[in-house]
Amino acid sequence: NAGVMQNPRHLVRRRGQEARLRCSPMKGHSHVYWYRQLPEEGLKFMVYLQKENIIDESGMPKERFSAEFPKEGPSILRIQQVVRGDSAAYFCASSPRTSGEGETQYFGPGTRLLVL
Amino acid sequence: AQSVTQLGSHVSVSEGALVLLRCNYSSSVPPYLFWYVQYPNQGLQLLLKYTSAATLVKGINGFEAEFKKSETSFHLTKPSAHMSDAAEYFCAVDGGATNKLIFGTGTLLAVQP
Repeated sequence: NAGVMQNPRHLVRRRGQEARLRCSPMKGHSHVYWYRQLPEEGLKFMVYLQKENIIDESGMPKERFSAEFPKEGPSILRIQQVVRGDSAAYFCASSPRTSGEGETQYFGPGTRLLVL
Repeated sequence: AQSVTQLGSHVSVSEGALVLLRCNYSSSVPPYLFWYVQYPNQGLQLLLKYTSAATLVKGINGFEAEFKKSETSFHLTKPSAHMSDAAEYFCAVDGGATNKLIFGTGTLLAVQP
């Protein structure tokens, strides 16, 4: 069973460009979480999605950031007009949410975004 | 609101010595707690989790953690460190209704030969 897949693993963008990060959850998982890890910091929750629905986006910056999880295909985290402060590692995690509380989240290898 | 605090951003031990990584939590409800490990340039791997079934939780790679409600702690231990244990370790608490994880700032473990 393949794990959570993220691509690209590394992404370099110039200020003002768009960054598009992809996440394919584990087979059978329909719940996706995105987290951001800034240099020298822990992971911070950004957004939680189910297929075709954003459930909790309380950690998403109000501007330039958006996320989707379409019925078919991977989840996408999109950052428009990137700035240097967006440089970070972005991790996706998935879970089946079969048991509710305390459900294990399985993490992908991350996308490391560098904004020049 | 739930939160976790990891004391000690850097811990260094000798190979074969006891590993103790500290985590204290704050939660208004019975917490679900996790320890994850992150190797350089990789994602997070679950070491173990506490879901109220037993206060002493055994995980992978010889790690275990004990939930102590009176101390609001969930410290991670391993009796004998191995060079391959060198990594960053994160404590996390389940954030509630949507199960988002709230992470500590991490502890970087170095193992000296």
